[in-house]
Amino acid sequence: AQKITQTQPGMFVQEKEAVTLDCTYDTSDPSYGLFWYKQPSSGEMIFLIYQGSYDQQNATEGRYSLNFQKARKSANLVISASQLGDSAMYFCAMRESNSYKLIFGSGTRLLVRP
Amino acid sequence: KAGVTQTPRYLIKTRGQQVTLSCSPISGHRSVSWYQQTPGQGLQFLFEYFSETQRNKGNFPGRFSGRQFSNSRSEMNVSTLELGDSALYLCASSFRTGHTDTQYFGPGTRLTVL
Repeated sequence: AQKITQTQPGMFVQEKEAVTLDCTYDTSDPSYGLFWYKQPSSGEMIFLIYQGSYDQQNATEGRYSLNFQKARKSANLVISASQLGDSAMYFCAMRESNSYKLIFGSGTRLLVRP
Repeated sequence: KAGVTQTPRYLIKTRGQQVTLSCSPISGHRSVSWYQQTPGQGLQFLFEYFSETQRNKGNFPGRFSGRQFSNSRSEMNVSTLELGDSALYLCASSFRTGHTDTQYFGPGTRLTVL
């Protein structure tokens, strides 16, 4: 069964430093998509980055990059040069090729210290 | 292009009442999905609509229902409200349905059942 695991309930990072948020997944489908979302205290889920299972290169979007290790079934989010506005909950999610829904992990709360 | 909008943003109801939440997807998006977010259960899929057809439903009781209109706007209804229905209800839209299609979320409707 498809499953997303985020083992870090909370993390601290110093402003301007880089931080890695862990995500592992489980699926038997060879075709799937992996997504990261940011949820500030306001509640809105903000799309950050996408990685397809057949993508050869790691995805990057500005300060966000995804460290995709397919054999290990991990899709860690790397945020470079952290900013105070990065403080939020971060969710890793997966969608299989034959599924209409996103499966979410439990989230990681990131706090950026000035 | 305007994002996903949800109304109302906040709602307070009492047990036994019913509630209707509304979602307007991004222009051109035909798929609308609904998710429930609670501290205990995290993010759970409710249902997904595409071209006015419900194509998938999560593991929720029949009190939870929805529909999609010809303009892709969607509503979800919860009848006979219970205390446990208190949650953030998130709507998401995507252009198509597939593991490569990103779901974009609205700001959510925070429902409190007293």
